[in-house]
Amino acid sequence: DAGITQSPRYKITETGRQVTLMCHQTWSHSYMFWYRQDLGHGLRLIYYSAAADITDKGEVPDGYVVSRSKTENFPLTLESATRSQTSVYFCASSESNRVADTEAFFGQGTRLTVV
Amino acid sequence: RKEVEQDPGPFNVPEGATVAFNCTYSNSASQSFFWYRQDCRKEPKLLMSVYSSGNEDGRFTAQLNRASQYISLLIRDSKLSDSATYLCVVNTGGFKTIFGAGTRLFVKA
Repeated sequence: DAGITQSPRYKITETGRQVTLMCHQTWSHSYMFWYRQDLGHGLRLIYYSAAADITDKGEVPDGYVVSRSKTENFPLTLESATRSQTSVYFCASSESNRVADTEAFFGQGTRLTVV
Repeated sequence: RKEVEQDPGPFNVPEGATVAFNCTYSNSASQSFFWYRQDCRKEPKLLMSVYSSGNEDGRFTAQLNRASQYISLLIRDSKLSDSATYLCVVNTGGFKTIFGAGTRLFVKA
């Protein structure tokens, strides 16, 4: 099915563990983004990628690592999870780097709890 | 001060009511403006763009006031299905897209 999918949908991990959130899109969009959403905050950009092997930091990149070896995949890794990283994570893709200029398509989100 | 601010609500309105949300932004160089809708525990989805001349899509009207740096969303004849969180989105260029924290709307029968 065409679209953008995230996995897992739900994840509980312990403090200090490494965890990877997966994101896969089938549209061949150039741009992909990772956001986190916390109560009282809007979606905050963690990292974005303009193309395979091109990534850059967003607003809140500390503690996260990304890679993009293939256009369709954009995994997000928490190197050593902390409780402050408990959040809902959304992956998005867009034809434009101006996410709000052309429609951005979001995955269903991953609810991550760090205990 | 946040770059994009919205009244968090919740707004509780009866079916058929007209409701309006405002969103203020701090960066006068902001270029693009949008409203996204997010249902409970779901992903955000684009509702509509906001153009300088104002634009309408069915029961929804969006307006931009650059002088006062705010955008608005008006929903007429509210439906139960309009219950959601409405996110104000402002782009200041490139990847710098700021999402507001959202305004929650509950439409009751």
